[in-house]
Amino acid sequence: AQSVTQPDIHITVSEGASLELRCNYSYGATPYLFWYVQSPGQGLQLLLKYFSGDTLVQGIKGFEAEFKRSQSSFNLRKPSVHWSDAAEYFCAVGHTGTASKLTFGTGTRLQVTL
Amino acid sequence: GAVVSQHPSRVICKSGTSVKIECRSLDFQATTMFWYRQFPKKSLMLMATSNEGSKATYEQGVEKDKFLINHASLTLSTLTVTSAHPEDSSFYICSASDAIVGAQTQYFGPGTRLLVL
Repeated sequence: AQSVTQPDIHITVSEGASLELRCNYSYGATPYLFWYVQSPGQGLQLLLKYFSGDTLVQGIKGFEAEFKRSQSSFNLRKPSVHWSDAAEYFCAVGHTGTASKLTFGTGTRLQVTL
Repeated sequence: GAVVSQHPSRVICKSGTSVKIECRSLDFQATTMFWYRQFPKKSLMLMATSNEGSKATYEQGVEKDKFLINHASLTLSTLTVTSAHPEDSSFYICSASDAIVGAQTQYFGPGTRLLVL
């Protein structure tokens, strides 16, 4: 069965510092991978996704993620964090097929200090 | 593009009553919609998958008679929590996938917070 691990429950970074959120997955085939962000009391917004091709994926709000098959990882990065980036970040793996269910990680809460 | 709305955003009801939550895809046709439940400080738990015109597929442990899902059109799915009890209080989020853009990507609604007294 597929699974997603986000080992960091809570991360605090200073505004302007770089950020890397870790995500490891377990899936039997080539995965579809996603990063979503959730602000308090809100739904999820898609930051970026990987299906195939270039393993470095650019997303919205200056985020990027790199798919590393050898490490079963899909870490999210941002070179310079803004205070508005404080939120909950979820990594997810999609099942291949026409009705693609998502399996989510447990999330990483990002706190940004000024 | 790919906007999903939910209504209501929050609802308070008495124990024993039923509550209906609507999920709409505003600018695309959603062949598949998903309903999730999220507990405080927790991840999303998939409750069911619904395809337009078909019965919903429920995840293991989710009571289909308690959480009624209807997906009558390509832009609307509803979740009805029947005979709600305090333990049903939660944050319910729907998502929809666009058959044209690709069924693999889900777009999420803003969520509905349900409080059962």
